[in-house]
Order: sequence, then structure tokens, then C-alpha cells
Amino acid sequence: DTGVSQDPRHKITKRGQNVTFRCDPISEHNRLYWYRQTLGQGPEFLTYFQNEAQLEKSRLLSDRFSAERPKGSFSTLEIQRTEQGDSAMYLCASSPDDDGYTFGSGTRLTVV
Amino acid sequence: DQQVKQNSPSLSVQEGRISILNCDYTNSMFDYFLWYKKYPAEGPTFLISISSIKDKNEDGRFTVFLNKSAKHLSLHIVPSQPGDSAVYFCAASYGGATNKLIFGTGTLLAVQP
Repeated sequence: DTGVSQDPRHKITKRGQNVTFRCDPISEHNRLYWYRQTLGQGPEFLTYFQNEAQLEKSRLLSDRFSAERPKGSFSTLEIQRTEQGDSAMYLCASSPDDDGYTFGSGTRLTVV
Repeated sequence: DQQVKQNSPSLSVQEGRISILNCDYTNSMFDYFLWYKKYPAEGPTFLISISSIKDKNEDGRFTVFLNKSAKHLSLHIVPSQPGDSAVYFCAASYGGATNKLIFGTGTLLAVQP
């Protein structure tokens, strides 16, 4: 297992388009997290899954954002009707129940 | 409301000397603290952590100190090496290492050869 994998690494999209990112966690990790990092800031929590259940969502996750983890394995994060303010690095992380996170390399989104 | 603060955006240190990175927090409910290191175009990498029941944790060249009364923690790197040059993030959580993390804004460490 090579760690947490995120696809794509970079995405440029026009304002108003929908985008979807994928995260493949470390295979034995039950927990999966999405964070967003903008320039000059630390990562900000978006949402968290325990297996396929979405247990917590940040108020940062507006109605245009949706995350799924359908079979408790990979996860997708979709942003509908993208805005320039959505431009950021989207980070996925996974962890087992009793230990800390491993982050992926992130997906950099640029909305033009 | 910034619950975890890193007031120094950058720090420059000579190779072989000590690097001290500082972090303050406001929420007394935090019970677990972590330091992450981040290179450009990569995700954060876990460095070291400390539970609120301890005041010091050491791992090789890295030591984290926690002062709960001052709501302050620091990361000491001794000796500093050029490969340590990166952005360092302090993070805090309540309920342990697997819960939601609140990150600071980061400190860019530059270790000069």
C-alpha cells in the first residue's frame, strides 16, 4: 500500500462548472477526512467518515459541496457551481480507529 | 476565531543550531496536540504529538513541550538540518489523534547551511 492517493493532483475549471475529486485511503483505515487549505492558512476541516457513515460536517461545507464514501473504501468530494473562492488545496487523510492521520498529497483546484 | 495560533510566519536558523517553533491555543478543551511538517506540493506529514496529561514528548531530534497553564506549546529541533526546511503546522484536537484537527497558520522554517 502506497499511502493515501488523491486524484487528480491539479484541476483547473471555469466558474460555474462542477468538479469531483477522489480519495483512496490506506486500505485498513476506517476513518477518512477531507480538509481544505487556502494560501497562507492551515488546513481546515470539512468532513469525516467512519466507514461509510458521514459523522461530521463543517459549516464550511455549503450546500454546493457533497462528500460520499459509498462502500467504506474510496471517497469522492463534489463541488457544484464552482466559485473563485473555492480555489484551494483539497486534502484527504485516513486513519485507523486508534492512531493518527496520514494525509494524501492533495488536489489543487483553480477556478477561473 | 483562530483557536490555534502560530504568530511567527517564518523562522531562519543556522544548520546545527536549535529551531524553536511556537504555538498558542485558546480552547481549554483541547487535549491532544500535534506537529506536522509540509513540503510544497505535498500533504502534511506527522512529526510528533503530545497528550495534555504530559508536558514533554521527545522523538529523536524533535521535542514538543506543552504548558497548559499558558496554553502554549513549542517544537524544538536539535540539531537543525537543511532538510528540515519546510512549513510546520501546529494542530489541536479534543478526544485524541483520530478526531477533527484544528490547525494553526504555519511557520516557514529555513535552515541555512
